[in-house]
Amino acid sequence: QQQVKQSPQSLIVQKGGISIINCAYENTAFDYFPWYQQFPGKGPALLIAIRPDVSEKKEGRFTISFNKSAKQFSLHIMDSQPGDSATYFCAAIEGSGSRLTFGEGTQLTVNP
Amino acid sequence: DGGITQSPKYLFRKEGQNVTLSCEQNLNHDAMYWYRQDPGQGLRLIYYSQIVNDFQKGDIAEGYSVSREKKESFPLTVTSAQKNPTAFYLCASKIQRGASYEQYFGPGTRLTVT
Repeated sequence: QQQVKQSPQSLIVQKGGISIINCAYENTAFDYFPWYQQFPGKGPALLIAIRPDVSEKKEGRFTISFNKSAKQFSLHIMDSQPGDSATYFCAAIEGSGSRLTFGEGTQLTVNP
Repeated sequence: DGGITQSPKYLFRKEGQNVTLSCEQNLNHDAMYWYRQDPGQGLRLIYYSQIVNDFQKGDIAEGYSVSREKKESFPLTVTSAQKNPTAFYLCASKIQRGASYEQYFGPGTRLTVT
């Protein structure tokens, strides 16, 4: 059962544009939501994370927006650059949980 | 220099052979994980361990085995019973810091079985 749904599956953005990736979850016990960035042939790297008591978190050009009532959260990449081209995964875990639940991933391509 | 080490980066085996993938971490994390990633696909959990000498099956454990004899090591054996072993294998470790969790991945091992 897929508990975290991620969309879109792929995304093409022009350099300087805003990339937006969305995730929705069902399990209301989830209380921590990280995003990972993965380049081809490499392991995923932790990018940014948020807890549900915060509606937005920003780190540089990366922002997570969180809507607890809608059970949705999204990653916004401002001023997207070709170097941002990668696969992005959202994830979720509950306080007592031992494992992360991952979304299916979004392949982002930023054209120069 | 702390982190997660996976070796080798590329591994080739003949069908019918068991193969063991190495994962070592010096982050002092209690929990460790093995994931499988197929081309263009997401991450599927094979096995995980929250403490030494204990581990649990993930979503696709059939055809795999693990051991956790030391905190820093979590090797994965891909047995001949695994029907489609060719994939990219990722090891990870996780620590809880207050209300946050930090899970880090290794660089991965690409296994090709012919």
